Amino acid sequence: AQSVTQLDSQVPVFEEAPVELRCNYSSSVSVYLFWYVQYPNQGLQLLLKYLSGSTLVESINGFEAEFNKSQTSFHLRKPSVHISDTAEYFCAVSRQGGSEKLVFGKGTKLTVNP
Amino acid sequence: NAGVTQTPKFRILKIGQSMTLQCTQDMNHNYMYWYRQDPGMGLKLIYYSVGAGITDKGEVPNGYNVSRSTTEDFPLRLELAAPSQTSVYFCASTWGSGRTDTQYFGPGTRLTVL
Repeated sequence: AQSVTQLDSQVPVFEEAPVELRCNYSSSVSVYLFWYVQYPNQGLQLLLKYLSGSTLVESINGFEAEFNKSQTSFHLRKPSVHISDTAEYFCAVSRQGGSEKLVFGKGTKLTVNP
Repeated sequence: NAGVTQTPKFRILKIGQSMTLQCTQDMNHNYMYWYRQDPGMGLKLIYYSVGAGITDKGEVPNGYNVSRSTTEDFPLRLELAAPSQTSVYFCASTWGSGRTDTQYFGPGTRLTVL
C-alpha cells in the first residue's frame, strides 16, 4: 500500500517570498506523483505531475517539484508567491500499473499575506 | 465541455435517511472515482469504476453503494445516513487504461447529517 505524508498542515508566507511545501511518500512499488491545488469552495485541479524522465517538473504558474527517489520526496517550491496562490495543496501518489487510484496526503494550507 | 458535474451542491439529511449523489462527466472518460474530504484529513477514496458495469471498493466504502450503467454517470448512494458521513464528496474522472492522465474533479457536494 502507498501512503503520503505532508509535513506541514499550514504554511503562512508573505507575498513575493519563496515557499516550499514538503511531501514524503511510502511505497513498496513504483509510483507516479502529483500535486493538486484546491482553491476555496472548489474542487481539486492538477498542478503538476511526475510520471518518468526528468525529475524536475514545472507548472505553468511558476511552481516546480523535484522527485527524489532516495529520499522518497516530492517537495513543491515556488521562488516568489502571489496572494492568488493562497489555497490548499495536496500531494498524491498512484501505483504504477494500478487503476490510477490516488492516495492523498492530508493537505497543506498555504496562506500568502500582503 | 462541462467537465465533471455534481448535484446537489448542498444537502442536509436526517439520520437514517437515504440519498443519491449524482456525478456526470462529458469527456468520455473510462475511469471514475468518488472521494470524501474531511477537514485536515485529505481525500479518501470511497469507490471507483474502470468502465460501465465495473465498480470496486476504495479505502472507505462502508455505508455507501455505487453503480455504473453508462460511461457518463457514476451515482453514489447513501442508504442509512449517519453523522459520520457528514463530509464533502468529490467525484473525479480520467481516461484510464494506462494513460495516467489528470484526474478531473467536480465542484463537490457538501453533505451534513443531523
